Amino acid sequence: DTGVSQDPRHKITKRGQNVTFRCDPISEHNRLYWYRQTLGQGPEFLTYFQNEAQLEKSRLLSDRFSAERPKGSFSTLEIQRTEQGDSAMYLCASSHRRTGNTIYFGEGSWLTVV
Amino acid sequence: QKEVEQNSGPLSVPEGAIASLNCTYSDRGSQSFFWYRQYSGKSPELIMSIYSNGDKEDGRFTAQLNKASQYVSLLIRDSQPSDSATYLCAVTTGANSKLTFGKGITLSVRP
Repeated sequence: DTGVSQDPRHKITKRGQNVTFRCDPISEHNRLYWYRQTLGQGPEFLTYFQNEAQLEKSRLLSDRFSAERPKGSFSTLEIQRTEQGDSAMYLCASSHRRTGNTIYFGEGSWLTVV
Repeated sequence: QKEVEQNSGPLSVPEGAIASLNCTYSDRGSQSFFWYRQYSGKSPELIMSIYSNGDKEDGRFTAQLNKASQYVSLLIRDSQPSDSATYLCAVTTGANSKLTFGKGITLSVRP
């Protein structure tokens, strides 16, 4: 199995611009999660998909954030009108009931808003 | 009260010593418990999972769970400089297996 793949790994953007991150989960993993991590903190849950259905969204996910998982495969996380407070590492993770729901993380996408 | 608390740290131990990392959680309905290791600038890597009361050993790592006290710990025996990292405690509650993390404990192993 290849691991969870995230792209781009690093993104520097100007405040007010839109950015999109892509995540390709481990093959056949039906559950996909997005987390955000800032310096000195643990990852914070943003949203969760089971197959193509978005089943839970954190209150941290403001209306500037949107996530999709068309066809239940890869997922995208878009941030509109970025703010400096959005600077963080965005982590994607996936799991499958068959493997005990153990959650495996991708390498993360670093966002810097200047 | 935060859902998952890791209050001690940073922790520094000499090479070869036992490192003890502690974590408490607030939701008695929590079902699964994990320790992730995170090197600086990298993503979390799962090192231990534990689901029932007691100890679980894997190589130099032992996870301990006490649901009555809502307490999870990780022991690292024969600590190595390569163990220097941030250790994140995480729990799941509910059917979606969503992880809730503590803020992590930074461990430094001195050669």
